[in-house]
Amino acid sequence: EVQLVESGGGLVQPGGSLRLSCAASGFTFSRYWMSWVRQAPGKGLEWVANIKDDGSEKHYVDSVEGRFTISRDNAKNSLYLQVNSLRVEDTAVYYCGRGSVARDYWGQGTLVTVSS
Amino acid sequence: QSALTQPASVSGSPGQSITISCTGTSSDVARYNLVSWYQQYPGKVPKLMISEVSKRPSGVSNRFSGSKSGNTASLTISGLQAEDEADYYCCSYTSSSTVLFGGGTKLTVL
Repeated sequence: EVQLVESGGGLVQPGGSLRLSCAASGFTFSRYWMSWVRQAPGKGLEWVANIKDDGSEKHYVDSVEGRFTISRDNAKNSLYLQVNSLRVEDTAVYYCGRGSVARDYWGQGTLVTVSS
Repeated sequence: QSALTQPASVSGSPGQSITISCTGTSSDVARYNLVSWYQQYPGKVPKLMISEVSKRPSGVSNRFSGSKSGNTASLTISGLQAEDEADYYCCSYTSSSTVLFGGGTKLTVL
């Protein structure tokens, strides 16, 4: 059974940092693009970043470029999102997903709240 | 980049068919057959309903179908059921190697 489990969210002050993790199981992690998608409270879905199966390509939405870093460890079947210089508008549930445009499996999400 | 354009809401009666549009540009929807559709119930995780414009993942009802013409993709739900009431999002690959979502459409089953 495919499972994606996010962790690492929490309450952080503006300008702070967090490292989000996504533990994958039930499939050959190293064969898939992976992505992060977020959803602010009461708002729609927003793609944040994705990473190629071997980690050689990474892409970001303009609003997080230079502040967020996506990475993966295929030996540990894990996906990461380092989020720095957080802003109030980054407050959202962050989902990891298998795939790039077509994400067939999603985690339950981890909530990041940026507030003073 | 601006989000893909979807109607904020659509509605239909049980048994009817409805179509949700998703309008992009020549740099995304029109250029690639990489449009997906997601269904999301309040407080729940999104579910992939359509990939690559018109492919239905295993387990998705054949009442759901996708198509594309020019820079507009469409999701059609036939034989509308109460359980179809949810938010629907389109998503497309772009020429910048990024991904764009639509703003979402709330489907109400009357």
